[in-house]
Amino acid sequence: GAVVSQHPSRVICKSGTSVKIECRSLDFQATTMFWYRQFPKQSLMLMATSNEGSKATYEQGVEKDKFLINHASLTLSTLTVTSAHPEDSSFYICSAEVMGYSNQPQHFGDGTRLSIL
Amino acid sequence: SQKIEQNSEALNIQEGKTATLTCNYTNYSPAYLQWYRQDPGRGPVFLLLIRENEKEKRKERLKVTFDTTLKQSLFHITASQPADSATYLCALGRSDSSYKLIFGSGTRLLVRP
Repeated sequence: GAVVSQHPSRVICKSGTSVKIECRSLDFQATTMFWYRQFPKQSLMLMATSNEGSKATYEQGVEKDKFLINHASLTLSTLTVTSAHPEDSSFYICSAEVMGYSNQPQHFGDGTRLSIL
Repeated sequence: SQKIEQNSEALNIQEGKTATLTCNYTNYSPAYLQWYRQDPGRGPVFLLLIRENEKEKRKERLKVTFDTTLKQSLFHITASQPADSATYLCALGRSDSSYKLIFGSGTRLLVRP
């Protein structure tokens, strides 16, 4: 149980393109999902916390107009990288927690490798 | 500022030996600590969670200790196998911060057959 599906797994596109990444909890409901970015051999850095039905909470230094997050249902959150540039190339990973439980593990998607040419 | 340190150098051990990975933290008071496994190009997979009032947790060949005085967690894999080769991440969480986790940069484990 507790499967998180992330799509697409890999994106290669031109600079200036906007890219949407989907994160779905397949067999459970998630009021909260998290979006991370990971550069090679570095830690997962939390970008934002996505709350169903409300605005996302962004971490310091993350541009909310650059990284648009929508959490329209209990099983789907999307991250849109707007007008992507080469410096946005990274590994983006989402995670979700089972609703109503604290101190429980997060369930991660398999990430999206974004490459901006 | 909050800091989590994991050994950035890869740990290279012989199959059958016990692997021990370290996670140290400063300027933080976690309510719990988690260990994850991450394979190349994949998302992290949860392994174990240990709370601040627990000293040790076990799951099959895995053992985690948590010393809040030393601000350290040790992660052990006994009878290691080549399939255990991966990067292992520790993550700290506080019960008052909406389930947010802070991750270490991970330690790569290589188990030689």
